[in-house]
Amino acid sequence: GENVEQHPSTLSVQEGDSAVIKCTYSDSASNYFPWYKQELGKGPQLIIDIRSNVGEKKDQRIAVTLNKTAKHFSLHITETQPEDSAVYFCAASKGNNAGNMLTFGGGTRLMVKP
Amino acid sequence: EAEVAQSPRYKITEKSQAVAFWCDPISGHATLYWYRQILGQGPELLVQFQDESVVDDSQLPKDRFSAERLKGVDSTLKIQPAELGDSAMYLCASSPRTSGIYEQYFGPGTRLTVT
Repeated sequence: GENVEQHPSTLSVQEGDSAVIKCTYSDSASNYFPWYKQELGKGPQLIIDIRSNVGEKKDQRIAVTLNKTAKHFSLHITETQPEDSAVYFCAASKGNNAGNMLTFGGGTRLMVKP
Repeated sequence: EAEVAQSPRYKITEKSQAVAFWCDPISGHATLYWYRQILGQGPELLVQFQDESVVDDSQLPKDRFSAERLKGVDSTLKIQPAELGDSAMYLCASSPRTSGIYEQYFGPGTRLTVT
């Protein structure tokens, strides 16, 4: 089955700096890669996603890049703010007719210091 | 903005007792998922429904866990008997379509503590 590795497990940055989180996946058939933000005591919130026919996607301060050949994708957050502090999860899915089960990475705890 | 609803938000139960969680997906979402998230880890799929039918329950410990979505809308996940290792966050998610690549939206989860 699919295996998703996520690094780093913790990341501390100064407010205003950029943060980068990286994930690798094992199944070349995976074609959908969402990123979730999870705050303490809450469910994961979808913040951005990318499909395999696109190499990069941007939404304001958040961007995601995908390298299908290398089977890795990354989340970039620019101009970080204290409210960006949370646990971020990457995931991968094959999106076939049986549904699009997500396989998650282990998570990255991002701390933005004011 | 429509959200996935879950209840209860927190549940404390003793080992060997039965416990049940409820999920109401976003209106019109045909696909519903139950995930389990152990503290410090990513969510792992337990069961997936398409309307009232189970699509994937390969990771559901069927000796003690059961899930149903009788009318293809809300869903219940049950554990009987609960074990200490079942302590985790139980997350429900829904998706608007039955196939292809579509976003999954998560509810707030039920935090289960087994004592």
